[in-house]
Amino acid sequence: GDSVTQMEGPVTLSEEAFLTINCTYTATGYPSLFWYVQYPGEGLQLLLKATKADDKGSNKGFEATYRKETTSFHLEKGSVQVSDSAVYFCALSAYGNNRLAFGKGNQVVVIP
Amino acid sequence: KAGVTQTPRYLIKTRGQQVTLSCSPISGHRSVSWYQQTPGQGLQFLFEYFSETQRNKGNFPGRFSGRQFSNSRSEMNVSTLELGDSALYLCASSLQAGGNTGELFFGEGSRLTVL
Repeated sequence: GDSVTQMEGPVTLSEEAFLTINCTYTATGYPSLFWYVQYPGEGLQLLLKATKADDKGSNKGFEATYRKETTSFHLEKGSVQVSDSAVYFCALSAYGNNRLAFGKGNQVVVIP
Repeated sequence: KAGVTQTPRYLIKTRGQQVTLSCSPISGHRSVSWYQQTPGQGLQFLFEYFSETQRNKGNFPGRFSGRQFSNSRSEMNVSTLELGDSALYLCASSLQAGGNTGELFFGEGSRLTVL
């Protein structure tokens, strides 16, 4: 079935460091890909999305490129802030609907 | 604009009981999806409703059911509760226009504890 794999474990880094969170997927057809973020005490929010190969989604300084050849959608940010501390989830929609398959999420902690 | 509202936020039940959770979507949103979040399994899709019809269903037993009303509000029900049903249940609403597929707006969830 359709699935998303995120790198294991929390990510701890210093302010202004470069952030990468890896995401790979398995799906039939051509899924849409998403990154959702959950800030402490809040519900999940859509951070960015890409709907076809080579699309780049971007928002709030975060970027991710839909790579069909490597079935990946890695999240990157060049200079993180303390306010970026949150849990980040990679997700896909394989059939053009709202049935999303989520990765397990990565806790990101940014230290001042 | 009010966000997605879920009630109750917290509840405790015992095995064998049933529970009903409620979700009010963002005004104008006609699609409502439900997800279960647990530390072990992560986020798993339960079902999606649109215009009072169930459009998709995840791989959960028949004890999990839902419905949607004409005002787009949705409820989900879990009968004969088991310990493993302890989880955060998330509701998400969507405009469900073609270009917005997958763009979900989540509530803060209802945390169910089964004793």
